[in-house]
Amino acid sequence: EDQVTQSPEALRLQEGESSSLNCSYTVSGLRGLFWYRQDPGKGPEFLFTLYSAGEEKEKERLKATLTKKESFLHITAPKPEDSATYLCAVQAPVQGAQKLVFGQGTRLTINP
Amino acid sequence: GAGVSQSPSNKVTEKGKDVELRCDPISGHTALYWYRQSLGQGLEFLIYFQGNSAPDKSGLPSDRFSAERTGGSVSTLTIQRTQQEDSAVYLCASSSGPNNEQFFGPGTRLTVL
Repeated sequence: EDQVTQSPEALRLQEGESSSLNCSYTVSGLRGLFWYRQDPGKGPEFLFTLYSAGEEKEKERLKATLTKKESFLHITAPKPEDSATYLCAVQAPVQGAQKLVFGQGTRLTINP
Repeated sequence: GAGVSQSPSNKVTEKGKDVELRCDPISGHTALYWYRQSLGQGLEFLIYFQGNSAPDKSGLPSDRFSAERTGGSVSTLTIQRTQQEDSAVYLCASSSGPNNEQFFGPGTRLTVL
């Protein structure tokens, strides 16, 4: 069964304090690994897709990396507006399904 | 449209009533997905449409749940005889192809009293 585990569940940082969020996955035949940001009361907002081990993608203060077993979302010099829940999901075709399997998310708080 | 839209944004209903939730995907997106997010739970896949057909209904929790998509665009998720455990945020997503990134709508918050 496809599984996604994110850690930590919650993380509090001071503004400017860099850190990393972890996403460990177990899936047969990874098609893609996705990172989303979700603000309270809103739907998830797409950030990145990673397809193969060694791949990296960057957007502003965020950088996502992928290995064969996990992905990291690195946050450099975060600002209060980076506070949100960050969700990781994997896509693996099962009997033709194209669903995303999500982790529980990491709730990130950046204090000014 | 500019993004995925869903209606209503909030729905409060009484146990045993039927509800319909609507999703308008991004124009031109052929794939459409429904997910459910319960308090303290991750996003749970419900159903996937490619065009008007649903190749994967594996996530529908019971036969009280059904969904349809017409004209390759709008989709409706129907929950019959609602139960309190159906209370959740129902999210719709669309993508330009089955292997492409999914873009989510704002969700419908369903509360069953």
